[in-house]
Formats: sequence, structure tokens, C-alpha cells
Amino acid sequence: DTAVSQTPKYLVTQMGNDKSIKCEQNLGHDTMYWYKQDSKKFLKIMFSYNNKELIINETVPNRFSPKSPDKAHLNLHINSLELGDSAVYFCASSQGLRGQGGETQYFGPGTRLLVL
Amino acid sequence: GQQVMQIPQYQHVQEGEDFTTYCNSSTTLSNIQWYKQRPGGHPVFLIQLVKSGEVKKQKRLTFQFGEAKKNSSLHITATQTTDVGTYFCAGRRIGSARQLTFGSGTQLTVLP
Repeated sequence: DTAVSQTPKYLVTQMGNDKSIKCEQNLGHDTMYWYKQDSKKFLKIMFSYNNKELIINETVPNRFSPKSPDKAHLNLHINSLELGDSAVYFCASSQGLRGQGGETQYFGPGTRLLVL
Repeated sequence: GQQVMQIPQYQHVQEGEDFTTYCNSSTTLSNIQWYKQRPGGHPVFLIQLVKSGEVKKQKRLTFQFGEAKKNSSLHITATQTTDVGTYFCAGRRIGSARQLTFGSGTQLTVLP
């Protein structure tokens, strides 16, 4: 069984479209994250949720909106996609109280987004 | 804000040579973790260091946490082609409730 899963694995879309990426973890973790990895491999945290509560919201355009229906799921919706949004988006989870950090993070396989 | 830099950004080595990547934080860390990402894959946890001056080994990999808890290193002895990938350090600032800050990564290529 996959611990952290993401769908879709690949996403190719036109500029201006709206798209969603889904993430699920079956590890029973309390905290989930979204990261963006650019072409130079820099990993930048975007959001973190703990028990469905948003606790980290880095400087990310309002076009990105995370949604956590329950603590096992954290989805990412992106409005009005731009060329610069092309990247690999990783979901991750960790066990921890209010995502205080220091816990091992388990990453999903990534979603490779290409905006044309 | 906290910054975590790694050097070098890229490293090409001949199989059998040693490799070291260095991680430096602008602030004192409570702990540091290392992750490995294979080409086309996702980051996978390798190890966590917590104590000042701590050294841990995993087969050919040696991890070290600096005395001041602001830097760390990963050394691979006698690299193999299976070591190819990007190595990230990630640390959390002392007293901060924020998440791990990932380093900029070192991309290792091992030539057969």
C-alpha cells in the first residue's frame, strides 16, 4: 500500500485553466504539506495543515487554495494557471502536534505540472 | 527568515570516489534531517541528527552535525552509481514552531 499518494502524476494544461491535485495519506499522520519543486530542484513549502487546520501559508499567490476535507486528505486547487506554475508539486505528511517540525516527512510521488 | 544553503549545488564524481555535501544554516537548529531524491523520484528520509557534534553512519554514508548546530555534512565513501540523486538537508530553527526548512540540495552524478 502506498503511504502518501497523489493524483494525477502528470498534468499538462493550458494557461488560464483551473486544475486540482489530490493527496491522500494512510499513515494516520496529523500534518500534511504541499511543496513546490522547481527545475533547479529547490523545494519550497507552500502550505501545511494539521488536523484540517491551516498552520503554514507561505507567500503563495491567492490562485493556490488548499483544502483538507479530513486529516488524511489535502488537495490543492490552482486557478488561472500561469507558465511559472510549471513545476513538480509534492504532498507530504508527518506525525506531529500542530506540525511543529522535526518529524520525519513522508513524500508522495509528485505531480508534474506543465503549463503551456 | 531562516535560510539553509548547501554546497556544492552540483557534483560529478567517478565511481569509487568519495563525495561530501555541506549544509549551512543562518540560525541555530534544533535538529537536522537528510533526504535523498533519486532522479524522477521523491525525497526519502535518510536520517535525523539532534545532538551537537553528533555523528551517525549508515554503511558508506557518514552524517555529522556541527558543534554549534548550524551546519551539517554528509559524506559518502566510495560512491556507487546507486548513489546518484539529489541530497537535501532540512532543519528546524530552535524555538520555532515552523516547519522544516529544506536546503537548496546537492545533485550528485556518479560516472561509471
